[in-house]
Amino acid sequence: DIQMTQSPASLSASLGETVTIECRASEDIYNGLAWYQQKPGKSPQLLIYNANSLHTGVPSRFSGSGSGTQYSLKINSLQSEDVASYFCQQYYDYPYTFGAGTKLELK
Amino acid sequence: EVQLVESGGGLVQPGRSMKLSCAASGFTFNNYDMAWVCQAPKKGLEWVATISYDGSSTYYRDSVKGRFTISRDNAKSTLYLQMDSLRSEDTATYYCARHSYGGYGYFDFWGPGTMVTVSS
Repeated sequence: DIQMTQSPASLSASLGETVTIECRASEDIYNGLAWYQQKPGKSPQLLIYNANSLHTGVPSRFSGSGSGTQYSLKINSLQSEDVASYFCQQYYDYPYTFGAGTKLELK
Repeated sequence: EVQLVESGGGLVQPGRSMKLSCAASGFTFNNYDMAWVCQAPKKGLEWVATISYDGSSTYYRDSVKGRFTISRDNAKSTLYLQMDSLRSEDTATYYCARHSYGGYGYFDFWGPGTMVTVSS
C-alpha cells in the first residue's frame, strides 16, 4: 500500500497569514493526489485534484503543487472559515490512501 | 443540486450484519463510479470500497474483503454496502462518495455520513 505522510499534524496561524501543509507519498504517485477540507461535524469537501487543479467553487486562495512523492497545499490570506482539518489522498493506485490530517486553528 | 443521503447505520453486535444505503439525486447516477469511505471517531479517513458506474467492477480494502459487499441499483439511484461479520474496529462514520466523472480516483461529492457502532 502507498503510505501518505502528512505534516504538520496541527497548525496555528493568524488571519491573513499564508499556511502550507505537506504530504509525502511512499512512492511516486504521478500527481494522483487530492486535498480535502473537513469542518467539525461535516463531511469532507474536495479542494484540489490532480495535485494542482482547483475544484469548482473553491476560493483561489487555495492552491496545490508538487510532483513525484512530495506535494503541498497552500492557503493564502487565511480566513476564519478556513479553520478545519485538511487531508491529502492518493488515487494513483488501490487501495486509495489518505494522510492522517492537519488540524488548522486560528492563533 | 447533487445530494447523497446515507441511511442504515446504528448499533450492532460484533459478528452481526448491517446494510447501508445511499440515495443519490441531482445527477445521472449511472454515469459515475461510487465509493464508501469511513472515518473512525476522532480519526482519519479510510477508503473502503469502490464500484464502477455499471456495477461490473468492485474494489475493496484488504481489511473488508470477504466481509463487505458494495453494490448499486441504477434504476433506484442507490448505492449499498452490505457489512457482514462486523468487528469493533469497523466502528466509524461511513460516507457515500461520488468519484469524479470519468472514473478518476478522487471524490468530488460526499454525503453527510451514517454512524456505525459495533459493540456488545
